[in-house]
Amino acid sequence: GAVVSQHPSRVICKSGTSVKIECRSLDFQATTMFWYRQFPKQSLMLMATSNEGSKATYEQGVEKDKFLINHASLTLSTLTVTSAHPEDSSFYICSAKGQGEEGYTFGSGTRLTVV
Amino acid sequence: SQQGEEDPQALSIQEGENATMNCSYKTSINNLQWYRQNSGRGLVHLILIRSNEREKHSGRLRVTLDTSKKSSSLLITASRAADTASYFCAIHNTNAGKSTFGDGTTLTVKP
Repeated sequence: GAVVSQHPSRVICKSGTSVKIECRSLDFQATTMFWYRQFPKQSLMLMATSNEGSKATYEQGVEKDKFLINHASLTLSTLTVTSAHPEDSSFYICSAKGQGEEGYTFGSGTRLTVV
Repeated sequence: SQQGEEDPQALSIQEGENATMNCSYKTSINNLQWYRQNSGRGLVHLILIRSNEREKHSGRLRVTLDTSKKSSSLLITASRAADTASYFCAIHNTNAGKSTFGDGTTLTVKP
């Protein structure tokens, strides 16, 4: 079945630094990828939708200059948290959808801790 | 809001019992999906039900969809301790091009 690889699974960084999270579709071409943020014991909040070769569409309230998304190929999307602060600490999950597919495949998530 | 709302928020049952979780939504949908998440892990897709379907089965899982009531339910039969996890519904609207998740139900199955 479809597999989405996300890494790193865990990252600890210092305040003010930037962190890049990668999301790769391993056996299918992902025309659309989604980035979610999840706080402890809460639901997934959609941050942005990225389509290959075009600018990401951000949800209301999500700072596009802080959460940079790049979807340069049909198999790779990256989320860069710039100038990270402790309040950015969260669980970030990507998902991907192949063309013509109805379902979504999720990555295993990245636990970001900013100290 | 398109966001699904799930109930109960938390459910605790004994192994062998059935677990039922409900999801309600407000907008039109193309399909509704149920996912499982173990603590601190990614989501695992369980089952997808289209808007023109009323019921689907997959192993011990049974999903129903009532579009007139804008609600869906997930039934896990003969539960096992390994079913302990959070379960989320996600509603998908093709025009919106995205899925929106409910708040989830935390299921605890006691051995």
